[in-house]
Amino acid sequence: GQNIDQPTEMTATEGAIVQINCTYQTSGFNGLFWYQQHAGEAPTFLSYNVLDGLEEKGRFSSFLSRSKGYSYLLLKELQMKDSASYLCAVKDSNYQLIWGAGTKLIIKP
Amino acid sequence: ETGVTQTPRHLVMGMTNKKSLKCEQHLGHNAMYWYKQSAKKPLELMFVYNFKEQTENNSVPSRFSPECPNSSHLFLHLHTLQPEDSALYLCASSQDGDINEQYFGPGTRLTVT
Repeated sequence: GQNIDQPTEMTATEGAIVQINCTYQTSGFNGLFWYQQHAGEAPTFLSYNVLDGLEEKGRFSSFLSRSKGYSYLLLKELQMKDSASYLCAVKDSNYQLIWGAGTKLIIKP
Repeated sequence: ETGVTQTPRHLVMGMTNKKSLKCEQHLGHNAMYWYKQSAKKPLELMFVYNFKEQTENNSVPSRFSPECPNSSHLFLHLHTLQPEDSALYLCASSQDGDINEQYFGPGTRLTVT
C-alpha cells in the first residue's frame, strides 16, 4: 500500500528552528508537496520538490531525498503565526496525490 | 485572499435531508477537486473534474453526487448521509489535471445528526 508518515504533533519555541520530517512509500514518485493549514482555514501551498536537494524560500526550506523516500520542511526564526498543521503529499506514478495526516506545530513564546 | 470560495461554511443536516455544497474558483483553472478532511486523518480525494469531465471517483458512496456545470463551478449534492460523513469538505482547483500547485477553498464544516 501507499503510505505517508509524519509526526502527529511538534512543539517549538518562538525564534527557534524546527524540522518536520516526512517519509513516504508510494508506487512511483513525481514530486512532493508541503502545505500549511491554519486551524479552520484552507491549506496553502508552501513548496514542491521533484529533484533531490534543498529548496529555500525565505524562512522555509524543503529537502528531498528520493533514494531514502524522505523529505523535511525546515522552519527558521519561528513566529507565533507559524502555529499550524503542515501537510506532506506525494504525487505517485499515476499522478495521484497521496497525503499524510499532517503535523500540528505548536509555537510557544 | 484565496481565489476559491465555498458555501456554506457550516452546515448541520439530518440523515434524511438533501443539501448541496457549492465551490467557485476565480483563477481560470481547468481542474477542480472535492476532498474530505476528517480529524487526524489524511485528506481523502473524492472527485476530480478536468475540463468539466469527471476523471476520478475514489469509490465514494452514491449518497455524494458531484456536479460540474462549467470549469469555474463545482457542486457536491448530499442526500441520506450518515453521522460518519461529518467532516470538513474542501474544494480545490489547479491549472489542469496534472496536479502541481492546488488552491484550496476554506471548506464547509458538515455535521450530520
